[in-house]
Amino acid sequence: DIQMTQSPSTLSASVGDRVTITCRASQSVSRWVAWYQQKPGKAPKLLIYKASSLESGVPSRFSGSGSGTEFTLTISSLQPDDFATYYCQQYNSYRTFGQGTKVEIK
Amino acid sequence: QLQLQESGPGLVKPSDTLSLNCTVSDGSISSNSLYWAWIRQSPGKGLEWIGSLYYSGSTYYNPSLESRVTISGDMSKRQISLRLTSVTATDTAVYFCARQRTTSWFDAFDIWGQGTMVTVSS
Repeated sequence: DIQMTQSPSTLSASVGDRVTITCRASQSVSRWVAWYQQKPGKAPKLLIYKASSLESGVPSRFSGSGSGTEFTLTISSLQPDDFATYYCQQYNSYRTFGQGTKVEIK
Repeated sequence: QLQLQESGPGLVKPSDTLSLNCTVSDGSISSNSLYWAWIRQSPGKGLEWIGSLYYSGSTYYNPSLESRVTISGDMSKRQISLRLTSVTATDTAVYFCARQRTTSWFDAFDIWGQGTMVTVSS
């Protein structure tokens, strides 16, 4: 099965920072990658699908890029509401998730 | 706005069968050519896709769980059900149901239930 490896596991940042999270697939998943945001006690929320398409209602400071095996999620200017854990997910072959990146206050 | 609600026992004994239901607020599980999924989250293994149900009744399972999992739909009750047999402590997790955003197999999960915690313990 396809493994998704995220880095870093934890990221300390300040409001206004530009933040980038990376996800690497163990084999090519084309552009079939999604990114989710999860807050404690809540379900994941879809941010990005098909590597770079912004889900309706998601702020434009979130963007995604990549194809094949390397993908990134970027938050252009971190806002207080963005401190959360982020997951990548591939849906090229079955579905697998990355282990998560926690974005915490610096 | 479509809502999903998981329900079922919060405590299951080792070697027993875990059974959960997901109620779809608008009853759309038998229409619109959509896929519905069960996903779980545990501290040890993170988010794990368990399997998916297509509106036609076809099912797709995580190979690592396939021998123990059954996902089915009950249109009259507007429910998607999960059965996981021979549970152990490693099956302790929050269980979510979710909907894929379009009719394509290649798509992300756009609507999730709130999740239900299941603990496996004697």
